[in-house]
Amino acid sequence: KQEVTQIPAALSVPEGENLVLNCSFTDSAIYNLQWFRQDPGKGLTSLLLIQSSQREQTSGRLNASLDKSSGRSTLYIAASQPGDSATYLCAVEAYGNNRLAFGKGNQVVVIP
Amino acid sequence: ETGVTQSPTHLIKTRGQQVTLRCSSQSGHNTVSWYQQALGQGPQFIFQYYREEENGRGNFPPRFSGLQFPNYSSELNVNALELDDSALYLCASSLAGSSSYNEQFFGPGTRLTVL
Repeated sequence: KQEVTQIPAALSVPEGENLVLNCSFTDSAIYNLQWFRQDPGKGLTSLLLIQSSQREQTSGRLNASLDKSSGRSTLYIAASQPGDSATYLCAVEAYGNNRLAFGKGNQVVVIP
Repeated sequence: ETGVTQSPTHLIKTRGQQVTLRCSSQSGHNTVSWYQQALGQGPQFIFQYYREEENGRGNFPPRFSGLQFPNYSSELNVNALELDDSALYLCASSLAGSSSYNEQFFGPGTRLTVL
């Protein structure tokens, strides 16, 4: 069974600092990995999807890397802003089943 | 292109009752998955529907059931509600068999409270 862990569970950073969020997974036979953002009590917004054959994906201030062999992904958010305050969830999909296994999330607060 | 929508937004039920939650997929998507998210936890996979057939199920009892309709909208039904069923229920749609690598798009969720 795939286990996904996100560290740290919560963090606060001053505005302008870069954010580094970590995700680890136990089974490296993944099809893809997605990072999501969730605001309190709301649904999930897809940020980045990394295919199993890729090493990283970038969108604006966001960059996500994937190291399948070590079972790790990192989400970098450059020059954080108060609007980046949210919970960030990492999810992996195993080959052929189209279901996501989620971590518990990194709860981020960016202090103005 | 419309996104994934869910109804209702909030729902309060009592133990033993039954509930139906609804989801409209993103336009063009043929696969719907349902997830349960308890407070402070990551979402847990309930089941998935592809072309109106159940296509995989997580570790949830049979009182959780679903339907997918020809227009790819979907329902989640929960019978004999228990207090632990209180959670945010999320619906996600995707296009299986495409080059999108099964990217899943989530709706805003339905908050269910069981008293």
